[in-house]
Amino acid sequence: ETGVTQTPRHLVMGMTNKKSLKCEQHLGHNAMYWYKQSAKKPLELMFVYNFKEQTENNSVPSRFSPECPNSSHLFLHLHTLQPEDSALYLCASSQESPQPQHFGDGTRLSIL
Amino acid sequence: EDQVTQSPEALRLQEGESSSLNCSYTVSGLRGLFWYRQDPGKGPEFLFTLYSAGEEKEKERLKATLTKKESFLHITAPKPEDSATYLCAALPGGSSNTGKLIFGQGTTLQVKP
Repeated sequence: ETGVTQTPRHLVMGMTNKKSLKCEQHLGHNAMYWYKQSAKKPLELMFVYNFKEQTENNSVPSRFSPECPNSSHLFLHLHTLQPEDSALYLCASSQESPQPQHFGDGTRLSIL
Repeated sequence: EDQVTQSPEALRLQEGESSSLNCSYTVSGLRGLFWYRQDPGKGPEFLFTLYSAGEEKEKERLKATLTKKESFLHITAPKPEDSATYLCAALPGGSSNTGKLIFGQGTTLQVKP
């Protein structure tokens, strides 16, 4: 596989469920990112990891918990989500900035 | 406050009708200006990076330019397959070690045959 792969592509969960989103990059990059994309709103950066260390948390609620076990894998653990958390969650990777970020196709999350 | 604004929000063109998309930015110490294309149900696809005013990049029917206040994406003789949402993003100075991009809302382009 090449590029950035995200699983699952679609996820429906109740407000009390716990689930995880997975991202894997095959580009040899050192930085990985989580973004939220809601309808009619710009992409919002959530978290940044550089060499497995978190370097940015953009005031994200604690019901979103990221994990980066190595430079190729990134997870987003979800628990007790709210309806307004329904969105497309995108993962990206890059070499050190200001190199461009490359995105996966996202996970479409729906909260019932 | 760092901000990126794209216009128009939506653009309809006839095949072959050239036009330009605008991206205005107010960021402190721009480190890079990025253009992406996003198709429905897909993630953004990287197109160009511009690093300094006066720089231009070209790829097929697309040409991106940069000034100190804005960037343009010029589309020459577009085809229906150019229909997509085009996103602009700025990397402010001081964010080089975090990659904190500031995105615009996007321009949705529809090219009719």
